[in-house]
Amino acid sequence: KQEVTQIPAALSVPEGENLVLNCSFTDSAIYNLQWFRQDPGKGLTSLLLIQSSQREQTSGRLNASLDKSSGRSTLYIAASQPGDSATYLCAVRMDSSYKLIFGSGTRLLVRP
Amino acid sequence: NAGVTQTPKFQVLKTGQSMTLQCAQDMNHNSMYWYRQDPGMGLRLIYYSASEGTTDKGEVPNGYNVSRLNKREFSLRLESAAPSQTSVYFCASRGGMAGNTIYFGEGSWLTVV
Repeated sequence: KQEVTQIPAALSVPEGENLVLNCSFTDSAIYNLQWFRQDPGKGLTSLLLIQSSQREQTSGRLNASLDKSSGRSTLYIAASQPGDSATYLCAVRMDSSYKLIFGSGTRLLVRP
Repeated sequence: NAGVTQTPKFQVLKTGQSMTLQCAQDMNHNSMYWYRQDPGMGLRLIYYSASEGTTDKGEVPNGYNVSRLNKREFSLRLESAAPSQTSVYFCASRGGMAGNTIYFGEGSWLTVV
């Protein structure tokens, strides 16, 4: 059974820092992996999607990497801003299913 | 473009009452989902529908029923609400390039007392 873990559960950094959020999964036979952002009281917004054949994806100050063999993905946020404060979740889609399996998220606070 | 719309936003139920959460998407997506989100547990899939007229159980289907009456709408019903069903419920649909992008509604906060 696929399990997705995100550590740490919460992270607080000063504005301007570069930071890395971690996501690990137990079954490497994934179809793709997505990173989402969730603001308090809101739904999830997709940030980046990495196909199983890809190593990384970039969007603006965000860069997501994928290492299937080690069961890990990272989300790198450059030059963090207070507006980046949110919960970040990763989710994997397995080969034979439409289902997404979510991690429990990392709550990020960027202090001005 | 409204995307995924859920109603109601907030609801308080007494144990044993029934209710239906409504979800509609206007993006012509085939796949739709219902998730629940509980503190420290991430999102867990309740039911999903790969296309109009089909539904399948997810991780935590007990106590819920769903209906996919047409392509736009996917409703979630609690027949006899229990305190354990206090949660935030999210509807989602999947589409976009290669059908990989998932779009979420804003959530429905349900409290069962």
